[in-house]
Amino acid sequence: QKEVEQDPGPLSVPEGAIVSLNCTYSNSAFQYFMWYRQYSRKGPELLMYTYSSGNKEDGRFTAQVDKSSKYISLFIRDSQPSDSATYLCAMTNQGGSEKLVFGKGTKLTVNP
Amino acid sequence: GAVVSQHPSWVICKSGTSVKIECRSLDFQATTMFWYRQFPKQSLMLMATSNEGSKATYEQGVEKDKFLINHASLTLSTLTVTSAHPEDSSFYICSAGSRYSYEQYFGPGTRLTVT
Repeated sequence: QKEVEQDPGPLSVPEGAIVSLNCTYSNSAFQYFMWYRQYSRKGPELLMYTYSSGNKEDGRFTAQVDKSSKYISLFIRDSQPSDSATYLCAMTNQGGSEKLVFGKGTKLTVNP
Repeated sequence: GAVVSQHPSWVICKSGTSVKIECRSLDFQATTMFWYRQFPKQSLMLMATSNEGSKATYEQGVEKDKFLINHASLTLSTLTVTSAHPEDSSFYICSAGSRYSYEQYFGPGTRLTVT
């Protein structure tokens, strides 16, 4: 079993839809959970960060972490064509100086 | 968030030559820098982790004599691909992190093409 599992998609939705992206993981030591967005031929951009379990909201984006189920989610409300990108979940146990473990990434296309 | 730059953004070189890629943390003291490579339609693969002033720690299967990493200061790390071959053609991305913060910020990436 891989440490982090993420459905690679691709996922195609109409503009305005609610998008749900998910990852599961096996290492219970993970404490820091991130979502990155990567446009084609660009470096990943940090979207959301959550420490331990809980929810975090930032504009149209909501990140959820359920450590008991080892499951994290990213929700995008009112999706826009500009949200079309690959979304990568990442996690680590000690923050910025420790290597991140990434999911494979989910390719999202939002159709106008 | 913090700004991390990479130079060059794109480089083409001939087989057998060496290429140096720079990663700079512009407004962030990066005690740790990470180097990744990414093949088309694949996720990032960590190559090595470097702490400022120390030797890099390479992931299993990554040739340390081929991919030379230097992290001489809190704002600069370099990756040198020595004796590059076509199979080294890839997208190389660095990220900067700090023991004082949870965040890791990525550079824009460098596309290497070896002919």
